[in-house]
Amino acid sequence: DAMVIQNPRYQVTQFGKPVTLSCSQTLNHNVMYWYQQKSSQAPKLLFHYYDKDFNNEADTPDNFQSRRPNTSFCFLDIRSPGLGDAAMYLCATSRQALAEKLFFGSGTQLSVL
Amino acid sequence: GESVGLHLPTLSVQEGDNSIINCAYSNSASDYFIWYKQESGKGPQFIIDIRSNMDKRQGQRVTVLLNKTVKHLSLQIAATQPGDSAVYFCAENPNAGNMLTFGGGTRLMVKP
Repeated sequence: DAMVIQNPRYQVTQFGKPVTLSCSQTLNHNVMYWYQQKSSQAPKLLFHYYDKDFNNEADTPDNFQSRRPNTSFCFLDIRSPGLGDAAMYLCATSRQALAEKLFFGSGTQLSVL
Repeated sequence: GESVGLHLPTLSVQEGDNSIINCAYSNSASDYFIWYKQESGKGPQFIIDIRSNMDKRQGQRVTVLLNKTVKHLSLQIAATQPGDSAVYFCAENPNAGNMLTFGGGTRLMVKP
């Protein structure tokens, strides 16, 4: 009955090798978010899509990109992962407004070797 | 450079006792607050929310209290169980149209 589904649960990539993380939702929510979470820290917002409108946080590195081909799917692309990009990546959705209750996926734990 | 992980404040309680997790928020204009529970290796899970026109809201075994005077939010868990062991985050909506802002988190450890 998962509503926000992230794949894979664990991803290992090599330093500098592009990697894509996937998220899908069955809630038909308008807004989708990508967060980065490092150990013992709060989730940090990278960017969000309000429908098709992409909104980047000011401090999100250019190395991080996102695509939302349709309402249900959203992808996080890391063009050249560095060791500092190893983290849990969380996808979330909200129905309409930006500061509503967020529904999170289980996350993808990214390791960079 | 790589960020160093912060040491989370930890609350340790005995199984069956009540737990109180506190959160101080910064923006007096915040009008919506949420508590999330995050178990190890999982995404945050919604627990309960409250709007600023209320000072208390109850759910199943959980109560959220909001004190706008001192900008303080608390989560009370009744009869704490081992399954309540997790990190708890508060989040606030600082202004209409802006993103939820997460607090630093508190680790709850339940001793059997």
